[in-house]
Amino acid sequence: EAGVVQSPRYKIIEKKQPVAFWCNPISGHNTLYWYRQNLGQGPELLIRYENEEAVDDSQLPKDRFSAERLKGVDSTLKIQPAELGDSAVYLCASSLVLTDTQYFGPGTRLTVL
Amino acid sequence: GNSVTQMEGPVTLSEEAFLTINCTYTATGYPSLFWYVQYPGEGLQLLLKATKADDKGSNKGFEATYRKETTSFHLEKGSVQVSDSAVYFCALSETSGTYKYIFGTGTRLKVLA
Repeated sequence: EAGVVQSPRYKIIEKKQPVAFWCNPISGHNTLYWYRQNLGQGPELLIRYENEEAVDDSQLPKDRFSAERLKGVDSTLKIQPAELGDSAVYLCASSLVLTDTQYFGPGTRLTVL
Repeated sequence: GNSVTQMEGPVTLSEEAFLTINCTYTATGYPSLFWYVQYPGEGLQLLLKATKADDKGSNKGFEATYRKETTSFHLEKGSVQVSDSAVYFCALSETSGTYKYIFGTGTRLKVLA
């Protein structure tokens, strides 16, 4: 069974440019999470989806970050415009609905110059 | 609020040494507890979990016991290998029905041959 797939694995952009990350969860997993992991820190939740609905986006900086999960499967996280402080690893995770074990993708390492 | 505290690293050990990585938590209710491992350049992999007091999670020679009285979930392994070198994250899953993870800051383990 395929795990969580993310792309791209690495992205380098200039500040003020837009960037998007894509995630394909494990088949059958209704719940999808986006995390940001700063260097030397644990991941922090940005947004959680149950199917197509964003049920927890309280920590998503909505002035520049947006996310969508059309059709309740794949998801895209976007930053526009990017700032230097957005340099981090962006992790996607998925789980079966109403279960507490999350499975993580390899992440996208973003560098903003 | 809920939180997870891990011992700071790096932890440097010789091959076949005994490993302990301390983890304590603060939470309302009885959260599920997890250890994840992150190898260089990769995402987080679930190592083990425990869902209630006195449960012992185990995998690949690693063990951790859910201790409610000391609010701890220390990770142990009797004989480490060079291939165990990685960053280890302790996490809890909140009991509010959100299944939101709270991570510790991670502990880097370096095993020398």
